[in-house]
Amino acid sequence: GDSVTQMEGPVTLSEEAFLTINCTYTATGYPSLFWYVQYPGEGLQLLLKATKADDKGSNKGFEATYRKETTSFHLEKGSVQVSDSAVYFCALSDRGDSSYKLIFGSGTRLLVRP
Amino acid sequence: SAVISQKPSRDICQRGTSLTIQCQVDSQVTMMFWYRQQPGQSLTLIATANQGSEATYESGFVIDKFPISRPNLTFSTLTVSNMSPEDSSIYLCSVGSPGGTEAFFGQGTRLTVV
Repeated sequence: GDSVTQMEGPVTLSEEAFLTINCTYTATGYPSLFWYVQYPGEGLQLLLKATKADDKGSNKGFEATYRKETTSFHLEKGSVQVSDSAVYFCALSDRGDSSYKLIFGSGTRLLVRP
Repeated sequence: SAVISQKPSRDICQRGTSLTIQCQVDSQVTMMFWYRQQPGQSLTLIATANQGSEATYESGFVIDKFPISRPNLTFSTLTVSNMSPEDSSIYLCSVGSPGGTEAFFGQGTRLTVV
């Protein structure tokens, strides 16, 4: 079945460092890909998304490009802030009849130090 | 976007009892989804709640343990039955956007079973 694999955390960075969180997926169809973020004590929020190959999703300085050839959707940010400390989840949505159903990766905790 | 309200936001329950979680959406949606996030883990889909038919459960989840109601297009409930400490998790309700390119989540219900 479909699956999402994320790099294990925690990832600890200093403020203004470059961030990469790796995400690869396995899917039989043409999924949509998402990054969700969960800040401490808060609910899950959509960070960015891409719905087809070569699309780049971006938001709040974060970017991720849908790479069909490498089945990847790595999250990047050029300069992280302390406020980016959170858990990041990569997810995919199958475009079949359950197109809203999401399959999540295990999550990567990011800690940014001042 | 969709606004999702979940009740209760948190609860502490005795083992052997049941808890019903409510999910209210501010617009009509065809499918609603229930996820579980165990402590330190990722989100796992429990079931899909369809209006007018029985819920569809994922592998490892059964109706006797997690009965679901879907009386109309804006509301659903999930009951966690005969609870044990292993049921301590965050339970989240989710709906999809028209076109299926995005999912929205409620704030979640943090359940602790003692």
